[in-house]
Amino acid sequence: GAVVSQHPSWVICKSGTSVKIECRSLDFQATTMFWYRQFPKQSLMLMATSNEGSKATYEQGVEKDKFLINHASLTLSTLTVTSAHPEDSSFYICSARDPGGGSDYTFGSGTRLTVV
Amino acid sequence: DAKTTQPPSMDCAEGRAANLPCNHSTISGNEYVYWYRQIHSQGPQYIIHGLKNNETNEMASLIITEDRKSSTLILPHATLRDTAVYYCIVRVAGGNAGNMLTFGGGTRLMVKP
Repeated sequence: GAVVSQHPSWVICKSGTSVKIECRSLDFQATTMFWYRQFPKQSLMLMATSNEGSKATYEQGVEKDKFLINHASLTLSTLTVTSAHPEDSSFYICSARDPGGGSDYTFGSGTRLTVV
Repeated sequence: DAKTTQPPSMDCAEGRAANLPCNHSTISGNEYVYWYRQIHSQGPQYIIHGLKNNETNEMASLIITEDRKSSTLILPHATLRDTAVYYCIVRVAGGNAGNMLTFGGGTRLMVKP
């Protein structure tokens, strides 16, 4: 089945620095990928839709200049948390659907970001 | 996408069947019922989906009522590894790959020895 690889699985960074999270579709091409954020004991909240070769679409309330998304190839989308602050500490998860492999979505294993 | 309602938590004894209900009274005719689960600190995992007929795979069974306003996910022999948050989502299947998944609160299933 379709596999989505997310890296790193966890990261600790200092306040004010930037962190990049990668999401790769390993055995299919994904023109669209999705980025979610999940705070402790809460559900997944969609942050943005990443479109290959064009600008990402952000959900209401998500700062596009803070959460930079790049989808430069059909198998890779990156999320960069810029000038991270402790309140950005969260579990970030990406997702993609294999257009040729059925109608379910595959998720990455998630990235635990801790800003200190 | 139609809104779903699930109980926030449930317990189940190991080896017994776990029956997780979901209400989706505003579901549209072209919307499917999807179930995902999320084990702690992992990404969600697809379980099963269906339109109106009951479905079964190696993981679970999905029972959808005739009026399609509710459904039940059945784990026939729950194990400790089935402890997770289970999400019921209704959405249009296939079509535009841009259709995203919208997660509600889910049901936290605790399987106990």
